[in-house]
Formats: sequence, structure tokens, C-alpha cells
Amino acid sequence: GEDVEQSLFLSVREGDSSVINCTYTDSSSTYLYWYKQEPGAGLQLLTYIFSNMDMKQDQRLTVLLNKKDKHLSLRIADTQTGDSAIYFCAEDTGRRALTFGSGTRLQVQP
Amino acid sequence: DGGITQSPKYLFRKEGQNVTLSCEQNLNHDAMYWYRQDPGQGLRLIYYSQIVNDFQKGDIAEGYSVSREKKESFPLTVTSAQKNPTAFYLCASSIVEAGNEKLFFGSGTQLSVL
Repeated sequence: GEDVEQSLFLSVREGDSSVINCTYTDSSSTYLYWYKQEPGAGLQLLTYIFSNMDMKQDQRLTVLLNKKDKHLSLRIADTQTGDSAIYFCAEDTGRRALTFGSGTRLQVQP
Repeated sequence: DGGITQSPKYLFRKEGQNVTLSCEQNLNHDAMYWYRQDPGQGLRLIYYSQIVNDFQKGDIAEGYSVSREKKESFPLTVTSAQKNPTAFYLCASSIVEAGNEKLFFGSGTQLSVL
């Protein structure tokens, strides 16, 4: 089946780095995504990585992909209170629609 | 200003009532989607449409219906057959660029049962 798993909650202090992890199950996934959801709002695309890459950096965001273990992570450097949100990973297997994880709620303590 | 508009923001349903959630996009995207979000469960796919006048069931289509008569509109009806409709409903449209599918989401509708 298609199951994308994430831990539910992460708490960090402002200025620290945050690492949000995701495990996916479909090895045929072409692209993997990270979306951010602020309270009462829709999801916004943060970044994505193609399956033949193992790392992508975009300003404070670093995505690491381990295809062998089907593990995806999002690192946020110098985490700010405005980064508090729910973060979803998603995989594109080429079939019908993206499959989303359950989301990780990031809480940033001042 | 291009984007996806969902309305209403909040909706209340009485027992036995059908309600319709609106989703409109002016991005000229072919594909549109409806997801249901429950706390701690992430997003589950209800229905999707790849092209006008065509739509497919997702993982949790029972108790819901959709139509796609126009490219820009993809309304979702929550019927009385849906016994647990309280959730946050998200509509999205997508574009594929160089094999990469990017979803654009509306701001959601919170549906509650009276």
C-alpha cells in the first residue's frame, strides 16, 4: 500500500536547527515534496527533490533523500517562530495524485 | 491575482442535509483535487479530476459527490450518507512542469455538524 509516515510533533528552540523526518514506501516515486501548513490555511509548497538526487539546499532549507532506506528529511536552519506550522511530506508515484504523510507539527519556543 | 478560492470558510451541516463546498481556480490548471484533513491523520484523497467532464474516486469517496462541468470549478457535495463529515476540506489544482507535479491549495473549508 501507499503509506507515508512522519512523527507527529517536534519542539525546538528559536535559533536551533529543526529536522523533520519522513519514511515513504514506494520506491518508484519520482519526486518527493515538503509542504507547510499554517493554522487554518491550505498547504504551501516549500521545496521538492527529484529521486535521482540525494540532497537539495534552498536558503535555510536542506532536503536529504536516502533512496535505499526510503527516508526523506527536511532540515530548517536557524529556526524562527514563524516556522511554527505543520509540515507534510508527499510522494509522487506517477499514479493519480500525491500521497501525503500525516504531518509533523513543529513548535518553535522563543 | 491568480489562485484557488474555496468558500465558505466555515460551514455547518444539519443531520440529513446535503451541503456543497465551492472550489474555483483561475490558474488554467487541468487537474483538480479534493482532500479531507482530520487532526493527526494528514490528507486523504476524496475525488480528483484530470480534465473537464471527467473525475475519479479517491480513497474515501463514499458519501461525497463532485462535478466538473467547467475547467475552473470543482464543487464537492457532502451528502447525508457521509456519517462523519466534520473535517477540514482542502481543494487543490496542479500543473506538471518537466515531470514535476506542483499542487496549489485553497485556504480550506471547515465543515461541522450541528
